[in-house]
Amino acid sequence: GENVEQHPSTLSVQEGDSAVIKCTYSDSASNYFPWYKQELGKRPQLIIDIRSNVGEKKDQRIAVTLNKTAKHFSLHITETQPEDSAVYFCAASLLGGNKLVFGAGTILRVKS
Amino acid sequence: EPEVTQTPSHQVTQMGQEVILRCVPISNHLYFYWYRQILGQKVEFLVSFYNNEISEKSEIFDDQFSVERPDGSNFTLKIRSTKLEDSAMYFCASSEFYGFTGNTIYFGEGSWLTVV
Repeated sequence: GENVEQHPSTLSVQEGDSAVIKCTYSDSASNYFPWYKQELGKRPQLIIDIRSNVGEKKDQRIAVTLNKTAKHFSLHITETQPEDSAVYFCAASLLGGNKLVFGAGTILRVKS
Repeated sequence: EPEVTQTPSHQVTQMGQEVILRCVPISNHLYFYWYRQILGQKVEFLVSFYNNEISEKSEIFDDQFSVERPDGSNFTLKIRSTKLEDSAMYFCASSEFYGFTGNTIYFGEGSWLTVV
């Protein structure tokens, strides 16, 4: 089945700097790649997603890139703010279904 | 904005007891899910449900677990004979569509289950 690897497991950045989190997936049939932000004790919240027919998507300070050939996708956060501190999960969805396979998560700390 | 709601937010149960976790999916959604997150670990898929039947389940979702949509709004997860390792946050989720292009899955706030 699908396996999603996520790196790094923790990431500390200074406020205003950029943060990049990378994920790789194993199943070339996966075609939907969402990113979720989870604050402590809260629900995972979708922040951005990308489908396999595009290579990049941007929403204000957040962008996601997808390389289907290499089977990896990345989350980019620019001008980080303390409220960006959270756990970020990438996920992949298999063709024909909505079962999400999650990465292990990245703890992002933005230091002010 | 519509939300998936879950009850209870936290439940403590004795090992061997049965628990029922309840969820109210977003009203126009047709596909429902349960996910589990053990403390400090990744979110894991348990089961998906559509048209009053299970459409997919993971290896975690064995005979100890069952799901039901008892009425037009609730979606429940029953865990029989709870074990210590069932302690986790259980997230209900729902989505409007299901298919090739994928669709946004919305998560509830979670039900934290502690088995003692």
